[in-house]
Amino acid sequence: QVTLRESGPALVKPTQTLTLTCTFSGFSLRASQMSVSWVRQPPGKALEWLALIDWDDNKYYTSSLKTRLTISKDTSKNQVVLALTNVDPLDTATYFCARLPYDLYAFDAWGPGTLVTVSS
Amino acid sequence: QSVLTQPPSVSGAPGQRVTISCTGSSSNIGANMDVNWYQQIPGTAPKLLVNRESNRPSGVPDRFSVSKSGTSASLAINGLQDEDEADYYCQSYDINPSVRWVFGSGTKLTVL
Repeated sequence: QVTLRESGPALVKPTQTLTLTCTFSGFSLRASQMSVSWVRQPPGKALEWLALIDWDDNKYYTSSLKTRLTISKDTSKNQVVLALTNVDPLDTATYFCARLPYDLYAFDAWGPGTLVTVSS
Repeated sequence: QSVLTQPPSVSGAPGQRVTISCTGSSSNIGANMDVNWYQQIPGTAPKLLVNRESNRPSGVPDRFSVSKSGTSASLAINGLQDEDEADYYCQSYDINPSVRWVFGSGTKLTVL
């Protein structure tokens, strides 16, 4: 059974760095063609893809946030970490991690999401 | 501003058929990239509904079907049921390296 779960702070102050961890089970990021992404959803708004890391440690970012995002993985812990620097109230959103196998090219499993509020 | 455009809302009575459109461009749907569809019950995570244009994950009824033409795609729901009331998102891949994986603007389906 494939599961993913996001963890991190619920409240972050403006200008701080937000660090989120996705802990998953039921698959491995050592497996060829496997990847994990982060997607966020501001309250009442649409989904926005943020970043992806794959089994070969290739990393991709949405250009609008590229200078502020860092994605990394710890294969031994089955974790993917996302860091977002210099947060702003506009970064308030529910953050999801999701699996994307390259042979499927769809986000086929999602974590429940974690709501992060940016406020002083 | 989403790269893929969907109508904000659609509605239908139980048993009816509704369609949700997803309009992209020559760098995503028009470039023959796969279009996937997700269902999201408010307050929960999105769930993959249909991928690779016709494949449904286990448990997804065949009332859900998709089509694609040019730079657009559509999700059709036949025999509308109360439990279909949700938000629906299309998703594709954009060959523009500045965006890559892109989502639609989302459509709220109301079952009357």
